[in-house]
Amino acid sequence: QKEVEQNSGPLSVPEGAIASLNCTYSDRGSQSFFWYRQYSGKSPELIMFIYSNGDKEDGRFTAQLNKASQYVSLLIRDSQPSDSATYLCAGNTGNQFYFGTGTSLTVIP
Amino acid sequence: NAGVTQTPKFQVLKTGQSMTLQCAQDMNHNSMYWYRQDPGMGLRLIYYSASEGTTDKGEVPNGYNVSRLNKREFSLRLESAAPSQTSVYFCASSERDRGSAEAFFGQGTRLTVV
Repeated sequence: QKEVEQNSGPLSVPEGAIASLNCTYSDRGSQSFFWYRQYSGKSPELIMFIYSNGDKEDGRFTAQLNKASQYVSLLIRDSQPSDSATYLCAGNTGNQFYFGTGTSLTVIP
Repeated sequence: NAGVTQTPKFQVLKTGQSMTLQCAQDMNHNSMYWYRQDPGMGLRLIYYSASEGTTDKGEVPNGYNVSRLNKREFSLRLESAAPSQTSVYFCASSERDRGSAEAFFGQGTRLTVV
């Protein structure tokens, strides 16, 4: 069983809609969770991190963490074509980061 | 503000050849990592170094060796390249002493073994 699981998609949403990306994790010892965005041919870049139960908002992005359900999500409001990318969920346990396989998001103009 | 720098960016090797991928970070981070990324497989950890002088195996260490030369540099060596090692390799660093420290990535090395 992989440490972090994501639906690979692809996920398509129209411009202006809310995109919802989900992730589950298996290690209850995981302390923090990260959402990275990766454009094709580029390296991952951090969007948000969360380590407390509940919601964390940053501009158009909201990360949600539910430790009881071992569930992490990322909501992108007012989706833009520039949001089209692969989104990687990662958990951190000790010195290691565990990445999901990523969800491909396409925002249709 | 270079962050994490990897060299080379592209490389083609013949089966059986050896090479070293170089990685350096200027953020004074303690932890450094090597990942490989393959289609449909996500980022898989090859080796990591929690601090200068220590290295540990990750999920897919076979066929690789690493050296943490100093706090800044962490190299990945392929002793005898195989086609299965064709991948994109990312080096990353993180400051584990700080709460929710994210990993910062280099620009990647696209390696093809023929």
